[in-house]
Amino acid sequence: EVQLLESGGGLVQPGGSLRLSCAASGFTFSSYALSWVRQAPGKGLEWVSTISGTGGGTYYADSVKGRFTISRDNSKNTLYLQMNSLRAEDTAVYYCAKDRTPGYCTNGVCYEPQPLLFDYWGQGTLVTVSS
Amino acid sequence: DIQMTQSPSTLSASVGDRVTITCRASQSISSWLAWYQQKPGKAPKLLIYDASTLESGVPSRFSGSGSGTEFTLTISSLQPDDFVTYYCQQYNSYPGTFGQGTKVEIK
Repeated sequence: EVQLLESGGGLVQPGGSLRLSCAASGFTFSSYALSWVRQAPGKGLEWVSTISGTGGGTYYADSVKGRFTISRDNSKNTLYLQMNSLRAEDTAVYYCAKDRTPGYCTNGVCYEPQPLLFDYWGQGTLVTVSS
Repeated sequence: DIQMTQSPSTLSASVGDRVTITCRASQSISSWLAWYQQKPGKAPKLLIYDASTLESGVPSRFSGSGSGTEFTLTISSLQPDDFVTYYCQQYNSYPGTFGQGTKVEIK
């Protein structure tokens, strides 16, 4: 059974930092791209960042580029999101989400054939940025 | 960036009704569209992908159609568990933008 369990959320002051973690189980971790998607209170869903299965490719929403860093440790089956220079508008529930289709490598080049389609999500962790 | 526009934002219906939610993309996304269902306080759940393919385990009363820029999610006979919020999402290109959501309410 696929499980994604986020942790690390909490209350932080504007300008502060926080690191989120997502512990995964039930699938071949290194084969799948993983993403962070957030949802501000009472609002819709916003894609934040994606990392490829190997960790070699990372993508960010313009709203977080230069402030957030996504990473993964395939030996620990864990995804991370380092959030710096936090702003009030970063207040949200942060979900980690798994791609539905596994990536593959051929001739030394790795591909994610269908990124951004999410079949499993964690339960979310709340980040509140406030003084 | 590709913008996704859902309509309506809120839909009032009764148990047993057939309802349709529309999602429009600001440019063609072929069939790279997913529909998610989100219950209050819970993570989204994938219902449909590739515009019309039902995810495993999802009841057959849910169906999707469309391609290019216009897509629909249809629930053929609303059940009590279906009165929640639905989101469309394009995965044609980064960023994977979501629609603003449609809340299905009990009339």
